[in-house]
Amino acid sequence: SQTIHQWPATLVQPVGSPLSLECTVEGTSNPNLYWYRQAAGRGLQLLFYSVGIGQISSEVPQNLSASRPQDRQFILSSKKLLLSDSGFYLCAGDSPLHFGNGTRLTVT
Amino acid sequence: AQSVSQHNHHVILSEAASLELGCNYSYGGTVNLFWYVQYPGQHLQLLLKYFSGDPLVKGIKGFEAEFIKSKFSFNLRKPSVQWSDTAEYFCAVRGISGGYQKVTFGTGTKLQVIP
Repeated sequence: SQTIHQWPATLVQPVGSPLSLECTVEGTSNPNLYWYRQAAGRGLQLLFYSVGIGQISSEVPQNLSASRPQDRQFILSSKKLLLSDSGFYLCAGDSPLHFGNGTRLTVT
Repeated sequence: AQSVSQHNHHVILSEAASLELGCNYSYGGTVNLFWYVQYPGQHLQLLLKYFSGDPLVKGIKGFEAEFIKSKFSFNLRKPSVQWSDTAEYFCAVRGISGGYQKVTFGTGTKLQVIP
């Protein structure tokens, strides 16, 4: 079965610093991969999804970017973090959706 | 664009009461539908899914959901809730269109079961 590995679990970064969150998938090949941000009262907001290597679709304009350098690797990045980037970030693969344990990002 | 609406944001029930959480989606084509649960302090878990076939889907822990295509709904039900069902429940839809199969979530419903 599919397993999603996501790290780190928590991260505190200053405003203006870069970000790189990594997600890797085991147990499946050529998965669709997703980055979500979960906020209280707002559910899960889809940020990016990818149907294959180098193929990224962005759902909302934002300060973040995503890349998929390998079939089972999905990276969420930012060149300069903003305070508003704080949140809980989840990586997921399908089908059906399996989630990683998430990263709690605090931008100070 | 596909979207999901969960009309109940916070539901409080006594143990043994029946549960029905509403979920409506908007998408013009074929869909896969899901319910996820997030227990306090834990990550999201799949409760049940509908891909095709029998529109009444049974999931784990006594939950079931019924896909009513004409109403664009996929409501979650349980005949008798337990205190351990206290959690946040998310409905999700995946619109099947070519190679793009993004999954969109509702805003969630917090269920509190009172012993």
